[in-house]
Amino acid sequence: KAGVTQTPRYLIKTRGQQVTLSCSPISGHRSVSWYQQTPGQGLQFLFEYFSETQRNKGNFPGRFSGRQFSNSRSEMNVSTLELGDSALYLCASSFYQGDYTFGSGTRLTVV
Amino acid sequence: DQQVKQNSPSLSVQEGRISILNCDYTNSMFDYFLWYKKYPAEGPTFLISISSIKDKNEDGRFTVFLNKSAKHLSLHIVPSQPGDSAVYFCAASAVSNYKLTFGKGTLLTVNP
Repeated sequence: KAGVTQTPRYLIKTRGQQVTLSCSPISGHRSVSWYQQTPGQGLQFLFEYFSETQRNKGNFPGRFSGRQFSNSRSEMNVSTLELGDSALYLCASSFYQGDYTFGSGTRLTVV
Repeated sequence: DQQVKQNSPSLSVQEGRISILNCDYTNSMFDYFLWYKKYPAEGPTFLISISSIKDKNEDGRFTVFLNKSAKHLSLHIVPSQPGDSAVYFCAASAVSNYKLTFGKGTLLTVNP
C-alpha cells in the first residue's frame, strides 16, 4: 500500500514569508498529525486532525496552523516565518491509536 | 518539562552483541509506548510497540520491556547488525490521545 506522502521534500523561504506543506495519508487513515524536528528540541507535536477537526494541539504559536480536507489530506501553514522555524516537518497518519506511519518529511530552511 | 527521556545520547556496540536502549517517562497517563528508528532527513520508521497492560513484546530481533512501576522501558536488539545503526526514538501516548511525545533519541552505532 502507498505510504504517507509529503510535499514538497525541500523548501527554502525568506523570513517573513509564509509556507504551506502538504500531507497525503495512507488510504483509509482518518487521523493526521504533524511534528517538527529540530536539533535542539527533538520531535515535537504540532497538531492532530481527525475528520476535518483539530482534536489536539501542541505548544506552538498561532503562526502555525493546519487543516484537513474531506479526503483526509492535510496541510499545515506557517505564517511570518522566523529563522527558528527551520526544521524537518513530519506528518503521520493513523488508523487507530498506536498505528502511526510517518512520511519522509519536508525540510524547511528559512533564510 | 520533558515527559519522555532518553538519557543516553549515543551507544556503540559490536556486531552480534546485544544493544539495549533505555527510556524513562514521567506521565502516568501514558498507556502506549513505541520505538522508532530514524535516519537523517527521513521520517521515523516504526519498530515495535507495547501497551501498558503488557510487560514484554517481541518481534524478531527486537524486544521491548516495560516496567510500569519504575516508569521505564527498554529496547533490546539481539543480535545487533551494522544496518541497525541509526537514531532510535522512544515515544509515548496517553489513553485515546493521538499525540506522541518523543524522547530526544539515542544514536546507535553497530561496529562490524
